Amino acid sequence: GQNIDQPTEMTATEGAIVQINCTYQTSGFNGLFWYQQHAGEAPTFLSYNVLDGLEEKGRFSSFLSRSKGYSYLLLKELQMKDSASYLCAVRDLPNDYKLSFGAGTTVTVRA
Amino acid sequence: IAGITQAPTSQILAAGRRMTLRCTQDMRHNAMYWYRQDLGLGLRLIHYSNTAGTTGKGEVPDGYSVSRANTDDFPLTLASAVPSQTSVYFCASSDVREPDTQYFGPGTRLTVL
Repeated sequence: GQNIDQPTEMTATEGAIVQINCTYQTSGFNGLFWYQQHAGEAPTFLSYNVLDGLEEKGRFSSFLSRSKGYSYLLLKELQMKDSASYLCAVRDLPNDYKLSFGAGTTVTVRA
Repeated sequence: IAGITQAPTSQILAAGRRMTLRCTQDMRHNAMYWYRQDLGLGLRLIHYSNTAGTTGKGEVPDGYSVSRANTDDFPLTLASAVPSQTSVYFCASSDVREPDTQYFGPGTRLTVL
């Protein structure tokens, strides 16, 4: 089975930086994904890493270390609208689209 | 229609009843998925289909069945609903031309009493 761990909750102040960690132990590895989900809504795709290193997309960055089974999502210049759950997911097989998700991290941004 | 639609939006169902959740996408994506989302457990894959005419079991398939008669539709059926199937159900799709992104429908909130 897949084991994907991330913190349950995090709180940060508007304008600050928050780092959400994700560790995984899976039978294979073919990419790590981050999704954002606002309360009562569907998840939406944020980022994808398959090689080690940092991928930057505006205020959001995602990092991957395959040897450590570790990723983080970095949210900079936090805004109130960033309050949401952030889901870490792993694809373990090539040519297979299935994802295994972690339980998600709820981020609350305070004024 | 734009993207993925699901119906119904929400449903209250008596235990033992049969229920079909509908999912339709208009993006001509080859792969489709059904997840359930429960507090503290995240999204768990129920069934999936890589192409029309094929289906596969996910992490939690028991009590559910699916069919994929065409590219656009991927219904999920609960043959005899039980209270433990109370959950929010999300349908998603992805395409071989953009394999790294899954697009999710708005979800169906199902309560089994």
